[in-house]
Amino acid sequence: QQPVQSPQAVILREGEDAVINCSSSKALYSVHWYRQKHGEAPVFLMILLKGGEQKGHEKISASFNEKKQQSSLYLTASQLSYSGTYFCGTARTGNQFYFGTGTSLTVIP
Amino acid sequence: DSGVTQTPKHLITATGQRVTLRCSPRSGDLSVYWYQQSLDQGLQFLIQYYNGEERAKGNILERFSAQQFPDLHSELNLSSLELGDSALYFCASSPGLAGINEQFFGPGTRLTVL
Repeated sequence: QQPVQSPQAVILREGEDAVINCSSSKALYSVHWYRQKHGEAPVFLMILLKGGEQKGHEKISASFNEKKQQSSLYLTASQLSYSGTYFCGTARTGNQFYFGTGTSLTVIP
Repeated sequence: DSGVTQTPKHLITATGQRVTLRCSPRSGDLSVYWYQQSLDQGLQFLIQYYNGEERAKGNILERFSAQQFPDLHSELNLSSLELGDSALYFCASSPGLAGINEQFFGPGTRLTVL
């Protein structure tokens, strides 16, 4: 049930770009992205719905391939504040929701 | 501040005991979710309530139970506690269904079982 994320961890220098992938073996209704900083609660970034609708922050971009049940989160011109663990979350129906395995992102000066 | 409150912030107890974690959702949110996060682990979905009714169950043990009250606050009851139950327990709320609504997370309750 749990979606798989890749890579598990990535280290970037400020200004570099990164892509985080999320893959599910089941048909998805939507994909969510959250960021969690150490010791804090997860914070919402974006929702991608089946059919193409998106809701989220303007500076975050992501894609959702409904046929492949895959989503990618694109982080461009990374800043130190982007550091944290990124989780995708997937909903198969309106209610059941599962978070992915997580990707640790570290941005260094 | 997400608007979701959880109490207590920390809880230390012994094996075999029972504890209750409390969550108050954001004003107007009807859905409440419970998650367990063990040390350096991901977020495990436990259970979801919508307007007082259970709507979805995840990897919740039989020793755990939850409910959502008429005022929409929720409680997660953990009984016969084991060492492995030590974790950070998050509550989240959303206006409606999980699939189409962002979730707002509370600060979490850190449970330590000795």
